Amino acid sequence: DQQVKQNSPSLSVQEGRISILNCDYTNSMFDYFLWYKKYPAEGPTFLISISSIKDKNEDGRFTVFLNKSAKHLSLHIVPSQPGDSAVYFCAASAGGGGTSYGKLTFGQGTILTVHP
Amino acid sequence: DAGVTQSPTHLIKTRGQHVTLRCSPISGHKSVSWYQQVLGQGPQFIFQYYEKEERGRGNFPDRFSARQFPNYSSELNVNALLLGDSALYLCASSLGWAANTGELFFGEGSRLTVL
Repeated sequence: DQQVKQNSPSLSVQEGRISILNCDYTNSMFDYFLWYKKYPAEGPTFLISISSIKDKNEDGRFTVFLNKSAKHLSLHIVPSQPGDSAVYFCAASAGGGGTSYGKLTFGQGTILTVHP
Repeated sequence: DAGVTQSPTHLIKTRGQHVTLRCSPISGHKSVSWYQQVLGQGPQFIFQYYEKEERGRGNFPDRFSARQFPNYSSELNVNALLLGDSALYLCASSLGWAANTGELFFGEGSRLTVL
């Protein structure tokens, strides 16, 4: 039961262009979404998040868009840089308390390669 | 300031053995979570502890157990190891126990190989 899906295993873009990473979810209880970046031999590092009460959140070169009706979110990186090459994970959580409060459900990840 | 530290970084065990993985959270963080990442997949939630109490448990068998100590460090124990337990085990700490009160800070993980 894959509640968070990243259907593109990999993405290759040219330096300076836009990278768009996509994520779909099925659980209507999810109300908080995060993107993490992971380099080899390191743990995931937090990039950006968005609450379900918003449809866009921006932080420098990174923007996350949320389409609740489509249960879809995307991460835009503009402009892309070679140092952005990493695995990107989409994650979601369901609020409201209970045993799932602090739990993140991750997608499978997308390998982003930015070519110089 | 030190980040989340995990030990050991790599270990090899055989089927049926027991393993203990350790995690020290960022200073001041009271919540520790454990995730299992199998090759090619995203991290999967195992446990969350906050203020030394279990606050969440993922869909893992009873062979998996954990605890949090008074200094907020944590141990993950896995008994009767199976080949399928081979994975990267990630520990994450956070200030609060809800995901939307702050992002999780992950350690580099403990790579477990079961032969």
